[in-house]
Amino acid sequence: DADVTQTPRNRITKTGKRIMLECSQTKGHDRMYWYRQDPGLGLQLIYYSFDVKDINKGEISDGYSVSRQAQAKFSLSLESAIPNQTALYFCATSDSRTALGSNEQFFGPGTRLTVL
Amino acid sequence: RKEVEQDPGPFNVPEGATVAFNCTYSNSASQSFFWYRQDCRKEPKLLMSVYSSGNEDGRFTAQLNRASQYISLLIRDSKLSDSATYLCVVKGTYKYIFGTGTRLKVLA
Repeated sequence: DADVTQTPRNRITKTGKRIMLECSQTKGHDRMYWYRQDPGLGLQLIYYSFDVKDINKGEISDGYSVSRQAQAKFSLSLESAIPNQTALYFCATSDSRTALGSNEQFFGPGTRLTVL
Repeated sequence: RKEVEQDPGPFNVPEGATVAFNCTYSNSASQSFFWYRQDCRKEPKLLMSVYSSGNEDGRFTAQLNRASQYISLLIRDSKLSDSATYLCVVKGTYKYIFGTGTRLKVLA
């Protein structure tokens, strides 16, 4: 079974709709992240959370919100979707307890979102 | 200047060739360094961490030059299955910065 799962895997929606993307992990990691990836661009950080009561904005948080419902769950919401939010969205986790140099991120399979 | 820069490629090489990618980073306080592999429309997966002394994993060798602020990845004896995009990742105190990736295509 995958350690980091995302639902849905694909979603097509219309402008103005509210959308929620969900991420769950069984790795026991404390840190979770949401990224978006657009063709030709690197992964851009939307939000990150270091534990259940900690939420931080990333580089491109406008138009997005998040909720860390439990250590294992981190959801991303688009309150009113717009076409330029069409992208591939990844959730990732990391463990703050691992040594520097070994504290890599683990990614979910991604959600392909299309906003018409 | 981007925080992490990579040549986007594509690098088209024949099977069996040796190919090298470089990546430069701007923040001298960066703490951890990684190479990830990403197949088309899939999630990035860790290829290897990069250590100051350099490290090797089979056909893959990674090097870090802190003075010049660059990281390299060498792939020997390229296989068709090595075709992918290779992402350079640099971590500061809490944030992971991704390069845009270098695309490799290994030709039969």
